[in-house]
Amino acid sequence: DVVMTQSPLSLPVSLGQPASISCRSSQSLVNSDGNTFLNWFQQRPGQSPRRLINKVSNRDSGVPDRFSASGSGTDFTLKISRVEAEDVGVYYCMQATHWPFTFGPGTKVDLK
Amino acid sequence: EVQLVESGGGLVQPGGSLRLSCAASGFTFSSSWMSWVRQAPGKGLEWVANIKPDGSGKYYVDFVKGRFTISRDNAKNSLYLQMNGLRAEDTAVYYCAIGQASYWGQGALVSVSS
Repeated sequence: DVVMTQSPLSLPVSLGQPASISCRSSQSLVNSDGNTFLNWFQQRPGQSPRRLINKVSNRDSGVPDRFSASGSGTDFTLKISRVEAEDVGVYYCMQATHWPFTFGPGTKVDLK
Repeated sequence: EVQLVESGGGLVQPGGSLRLSCAASGFTFSSSWMSWVRQAPGKGLEWVANIKPDGSGKYYVDFVKGRFTISRDNAKNSLYLQMNGLRAEDTAVYYCAIGQASYWGQGALVSVSS
């Protein structure tokens, strides 16, 4: 199975400041068609997860543009340009290139 | 508006069975891959199973193979997860999701304990 790792696992941030989360996969997430199925999810406290980003860098509908993502191959990054209070929660990367799909361990974002 | 509503969770003894249901609306269910994802209390997310739009293909992670069965009824816009041989480590919130989890339900809690 593809192992997904994230860093940091805990990220205290100040309101209005940027935040960045790294995600790495144990093997390339580029499939035979050239697509890279790396997604990012946000899970606010007490809520179901919500997908923010699909295929490395595409924001899902309704996701604020302060969220951006990039990467290729095995290295990926999620950035929040200016953290707002509603961004507190756990962020997961997930690969859907190889079966079984696998998630990273999660990065907990909270306020300093 | 996309809606996914899970039901059927509860407390079951080890070795027992449970069937989860997911009622879908607001999108073309019969054209969509569907998935089950779970989250143990205080833990991260684990993919459980996928099913093709017409139900012809079903995919399971190793730790549920032979015990869990994913199925769907496109006439009823419903997704199911039949869980047999439940173990304590299957205790989790089970989420119904569309495809690569573009949308999630609110989850159904399954507790396996004697």
